[in-house]
Amino acid sequence: QVQVVESGGGVVQPGRSLRLSCVGSEFTFSSYAMHWIRQAPGKGLEWVTVISSNGDTKYYADSVKGRFAISRDNSRNTVSLEMNSLRPEDTAVYYCARDASSSRHAVAYYFDYWGQGALVTVSS
Amino acid sequence: EIVLTQSPATLSLSPGDAATLSCRASQSISNYLAWYQQKPGQAPRLLIFDASNRAAGIPARFSGSGSGTDFTLTISSLEPEDFAVYYCQQRSSWPPFGQGTKVEIK
Repeated sequence: QVQVVESGGGVVQPGRSLRLSCVGSEFTFSSYAMHWIRQAPGKGLEWVTVISSNGDTKYYADSVKGRFAISRDNSRNTVSLEMNSLRPEDTAVYYCARDASSSRHAVAYYFDYWGQGALVTVSS
Repeated sequence: EIVLTQSPATLSLSPGDAATLSCRASQSISNYLAWYQQKPGQAPRLLIFDASNRAAGIPARFSGSGSGTDFTLTISSLEPEDFAVYYCQQRSSWPPFGQGTKVEIK
């Protein structure tokens, strides 16, 4: 069955960097756009970024633009999120999620499979 | 920016009751709306997409309706496992989520 598994969370000081990874399995990874969505403790969901199936197109929420970078390696079924200049307000569980469209030319911006989440805590 | 407003914030019901959750968009989003269920400590699960289409494996007691600015998620008869937080999400422009509705046991 389809699986998405995140790794790389942890505690980091403000201003430092952290890299999250997400591995997809049991689906044709290279056919799907992939997203990162986060949830601060006790709060709602916030979409963070998306990368197209071939990695050519990336979009970011204003709150992370210029600080976060998404990338993917389809040979390893992996998508990564490089987070720089971290702030306390970036503290959240970060979910990797598959886009619901299997078309290589369209992004549905619905999220049909989610990982279990990786907790990132930004604190001194 | 399109703002999604969910109501009520909390819904207190008993197993077997019907639940009606509302999501209102600040401008028309056609039928570009999804609903997710999230239980404590778990990732969200896609229930409904394009306002009224059930995702794979979702029971028939979950149904969605609406278009334009007003949308509804209906759970016809609550099962114990349905008590959770429900989020609506639009894909018409930038994909933000609503603030959520908690369905709790009365």
